[in-house]
Amino acid sequence: NAGVTQTPKFRILKIGQSMTLQCTQDMNHNYMYWYRQDPGMGLKLIYYSVGAGITDKGEVPNGYNVSRSTTEDFPLRLELAAPSQTSVYFCASSYRGAGAEKLFFGSGTQLSVL
Amino acid sequence: GENVEQHPSTLSVQEGDSAVIKCTYSDSASNYFPWYKQELGKGPQLIIDIRSNVGEKKDQRIAVTLNKTAKHFSLHITETQPEDSAVYFCAASIRLNSGYSTLTFGKGTMLLVSP
Repeated sequence: NAGVTQTPKFRILKIGQSMTLQCTQDMNHNYMYWYRQDPGMGLKLIYYSVGAGITDKGEVPNGYNVSRSTTEDFPLRLELAAPSQTSVYFCASSYRGAGAEKLFFGSGTQLSVL
Repeated sequence: GENVEQHPSTLSVQEGDSAVIKCTYSDSASNYFPWYKQELGKGPQLIIDIRSNVGEKKDQRIAVTLNKTAKHFSLHITETQPEDSAVYFCAASIRLNSGYSTLTFGKGTMLLVSP
């Protein structure tokens, strides 16, 4: 199994540009998440989804948007990129049943906004 | 909201020594405490987890202990090897305003095991 796949792996944006970070999982997980990781700051939750058509904000949602049209895909959209969005972005998924919360992470997208 | 503190931020040990990483949490409702290992250029990977109804769990050279009264939990790695070098994150479950639960993470510990 491929698990959680993120594309692209690296990207450089200019201030004000937009882009979509892609995430897909093949484990039939119902929950999906987007985190950002800044040096020395751990992982911060941006958005999450509990199933197709259902999304909600996490801890740091400003400047981002998401959609969940299928179980497999959970793209993250950056509109009007800003230097503060320079970070490593991780997509994750989990199967929520009986309280299980084991997250499976993708390999990340390193984004620089210049 | 939940706050997870993790110490130390960096830890250097000699191969064969033990390593201990400690975390504290603030929300007494947290009931799930996983540990993730992140190797360079990769996403975090779950290595061990513990639920609040258990005080200790062991998996080969890795063990986790939980003290619910004191709200702290620790990761213990024995007989460390160079391939244990990585960043380790602790996490605690939190309940969001929506009623769903997710994880909040500590800031990570960079473990360096020298041969």
